[in-house]
Amino acid sequence: RKEVEQDPGPFNVPEGATVAFNCTYSNSASQSFFWYRQDCRKEPKLLMSVYSSGNEDGRFTAQLNRASQYISLLIRDSKLSDSATYLCVLNLANAGGTSYGKLTFGQGTILTVHP
Amino acid sequence: GAGVSQSPSNKVTEKGKDVELRCDPISGHTALYWYRQSLGQGLEFLIYFQGNSAPDKSGLPSDRFSAERTGGSVSTLTIQRTQQEDSAVYLCASSATSGVTSYEQYFGPGTRLTVT
Repeated sequence: RKEVEQDPGPFNVPEGATVAFNCTYSNSASQSFFWYRQDCRKEPKLLMSVYSSGNEDGRFTAQLNRASQYISLLIRDSKLSDSATYLCVLNLANAGGTSYGKLTFGQGTILTVHP
Repeated sequence: GAGVSQSPSNKVTEKGKDVELRCDPISGHTALYWYRQSLGQGLEFLIYFQGNSAPDKSGLPSDRFSAERTGGSVSTLTIQRTQQEDSAVYLCASSATSGVTSYEQYFGPGTRLTVT
């Protein structure tokens, strides 16, 4: 089983739509969670960290369910500029219980927003 | 402020040659990471430096790969006797290790390596 699994999509949605991405992870020791976006032939850019209580940043809402080992990202009022690959990312706790540096990436979900 | 920088942006080399890739992290970030991304693939962890601790080399695919970080800042990734399967984008990232944004990693633009 992959450490991080995402629906690869692609998701094709019209401008203004709401779209949700899901991600599951296999290691219950995972400590920190993130969503990155990656544009074609560009580096990944941090979109938002995901906190246990859930968090929102403008049109983006992230949720974490540790019991189900599940993370989600909701994008409201989609813009053309949201077209990208969305990467579910986590890092593990080390033996001391603090976050360990290595990030583990999902394969990404491709989103295309069309006019 | 300035982000993570990498050089060169593109490198074409012949099979069997050695290459050096450079990363300059965000000022003040004590942790530095190398990843690579092959065409159409996800990101693969290579190596991690934090402060003066011994680096975590667990992701290096073979002993042809090595990295160093001098003075706690700039890092160099060296690939010896390059093979065609080494062709990929090599990405460097850095992060703080304290504070509310600790462990949020910020990536450089990458070095696209092509081995012919």
